[in-house]
Amino acid sequence: NAGVTQTPKFRILKIGQSMTLQCTQDMNHNYMYWYRQDPGMGLKLIYYSVGAGITDKGEVPNGYNVSRSTTEDFPLRLELAAPSQTSVYFCASQVTVSTDTQYFGPGTRLTVL
Amino acid sequence: QKEVEQNSGPLSVPEGAIASLNCTYSDRGSQSFFWYRQYSGKSPELIMFIYSNGDKEDGRFTAQLNKASQYVSLLIRDSQPSDSATYLCAVNSNNDMRFGAGTRLTVKP
Repeated sequence: NAGVTQTPKFRILKIGQSMTLQCTQDMNHNYMYWYRQDPGMGLKLIYYSVGAGITDKGEVPNGYNVSRSTTEDFPLRLELAAPSQTSVYFCASQVTVSTDTQYFGPGTRLTVL
Repeated sequence: QKEVEQNSGPLSVPEGAIASLNCTYSDRGSQSFFWYRQYSGKSPELIMFIYSNGDKEDGRFTAQLNKASQYVSLLIRDSQPSDSATYLCAVNSNNDMRFGAGTRLTVKP
């Protein structure tokens, strides 16, 4: 199993550009999450999904959109990138909310200039 | 507002000592509590989780939960230089996972 994979690893965007961060898991997990981590800070939940076709907002959803058309994929869309979105983005998956472990992807480091 | 607070550190302990990491949370409805370790430039990895009041031991790690005081801690016994990392406390309440800013631990040989 590859676990949770994220692409790209690094990206530089100009203000106002858009992009999609890809996240795929091959563990057949129902729950998937998107977090951002600013320097020296903990993770903040952007969006999460409890299964295909179901998504919900987390703590910091503004400026982002998600979709969950399959169990495996949970892309995060940035529209009109802003410098405040410069961060490291982590995707994670979990079997169900009552199980223990969230498996994290390696992260995407995004810089908006 | 749901808050999770940790001392940012850095916390420095000598090799072989006990490292004690603390975390407080504001949401009394929180159900599950997690400790993650994050090496610099890497993604978080789960060390321990705890749901019930009391202690939970796993090897050199012990998690302690006191829901009345809204306090969760992690003890690392016989600390090793490889334990040097940032430790993130996370609290889950109805799918809303909140993380603390992390405590940076350095174990000196």
